[in-house]
Amino acid sequence: QVQLVQSGAEVKKVGDSVKISCTASGYSFSRFYIHWVRQAPGQGLEWMATINPNTGGTSSAQKFQGRVTMSRDTSTSTVHMELGGLRSEDTAVYYCARDNSDSTSSWWFDPWGQGTMVTVSS
Amino acid sequence: SSELTQDPTVSVALGQTVKITCQGDSLRRYYASWFQQKPGQAPVLVFYGKDTRPSRIPDRFSGSSSGNTASLTITGAQAEDEADYYCNSRDTTSNLLWVFGGGTKLTVL
Repeated sequence: QVQLVQSGAEVKKVGDSVKISCTASGYSFSRFYIHWVRQAPGQGLEWMATINPNTGGTSSAQKFQGRVTMSRDTSTSTVHMELGGLRSEDTAVYYCARDNSDSTSSWWFDPWGQGTMVTVSS
Repeated sequence: SSELTQDPTVSVALGQTVKITCQGDSLRRYYASWFQQKPGQAPVLVFYGKDTRPSRIPDRFSGSSSGNTASLTITGAQAEDEADYYCNSRDTTSNLLWVFGGGTKLTVL
């Protein structure tokens, strides 16, 4: 079945960088964009960025530009998201999710990875 | 970027019908998708597009859209439907960006 499996929890210091991986299985990796979404404790979902696994092209929300870097490894069907300049407010669960579309007006994220908890401490 | 607005909390009596709404300019152009999230779990897609429900989702979940408002309706709410619900769509300022609503906490009484 289509599945996304993420790397394990991370504990970082303020100012550090964190790199999270998301490994896809059960489908043609290069055909579907991957999104990154985060959720701070007790807060809602926040879209961060997306990568085209075919070309490596990326796009991110304005608030993360300059701090987020994404890459992909087609040999292992894995995408990586690196967030630099960590602050305490970056403490959150980070999810990857596969993009799907059936037209020019309908998109949806499915499935989602299990989430990776990143804790940033001073 | 554009925003999607949801009521923070909604409640429904067991077995009754509830509608959760999502408003935003981007919904005039793009369909919303809806996610259910229970504590400690990843979000789960429950409805998307004009009228599509994933096969694993009970048929008591349905969706609709009109103007700048998308709605998720649960007909005959069950105790297990108590969860947070989020809407999502593309952002109208750029077709490369996406946005989530703030979420609605549904309580089943």
